[in-house]
Amino acid sequence: QVTLKESGPALVKPTQTLTLTCTFSGFSLTTNGMRVTWIRQPPGKALEWLARIDWDDDRFYTTSLKTRLTISRDTSKNQVVLTLTNVDPVDTATYYCARLPPAEYYFDSWGQGTLVTVSS
Amino acid sequence: QSALTQPASVSGSPGQSITISCTGSSSDVGGYHYVSWYQQHPGKAPKLLIYDVSKRPSGVSSRFSGSKSDNTASLTISGLLAEDEADYFCSSYTSTSTLVSWVFGGGTKVTVL
Repeated sequence: QVTLKESGPALVKPTQTLTLTCTFSGFSLTTNGMRVTWIRQPPGKALEWLARIDWDDDRFYTTSLKTRLTISRDTSKNQVVLTLTNVDPVDTATYYCARLPPAEYYFDSWGQGTLVTVSS
Repeated sequence: QSALTQPASVSGSPGQSITISCTGSSSDVGGYHYVSWYQQHPGKAPKLLIYDVSKRPSGVSSRFSGSKSDNTASLTISGLLAEDEADYFCSSYTSTSTLVSWVFGGGTKVTVL
């Protein structure tokens, strides 16, 4: 059974760095073709794809946030970490991690999401 | 990339069929056969319903079906059940010469009357 779970602070102050962890089970990120992504949803707004890390450690970012985002992995812990620097209240959102199966273009398993509020 | 456009809400009576539209552009929905649909109940993780426009993962009811015409994809729920009351959102793969990405719809709240 594939599961993913996001964890991180519920509240961060403007200008701080947000660090979120996605802990997963039921698959390995070293399996050929496997990928994990981060997606967020601001309150009342559409989902936004943020970043992706691949089985071979390739990393991809959405253009608008590329300078502020870093995605990394710890394969021994089955974790993917997303950092977002210099946060602003507009970064307030529910952050999800999701799995992309090999050679596919859909997210077949998601975490429940974690709500992050940026406020002083 | 701009978000895909979905109606904010759709409602129907038990047993009826409803259709949710998802409108994009030739750069996403119209350009690829990679539209997917997700169901989300409050406080729960999104669940994959449809992928590659019209394919259903194993375990998903045949009451859910997907289609696409030009830049608009659609999700149809037939034989509406109370348990279908949830939020539904679409997603499409998109790419440029320098970027691979996904775009999402704003979500549609389905109410079973």
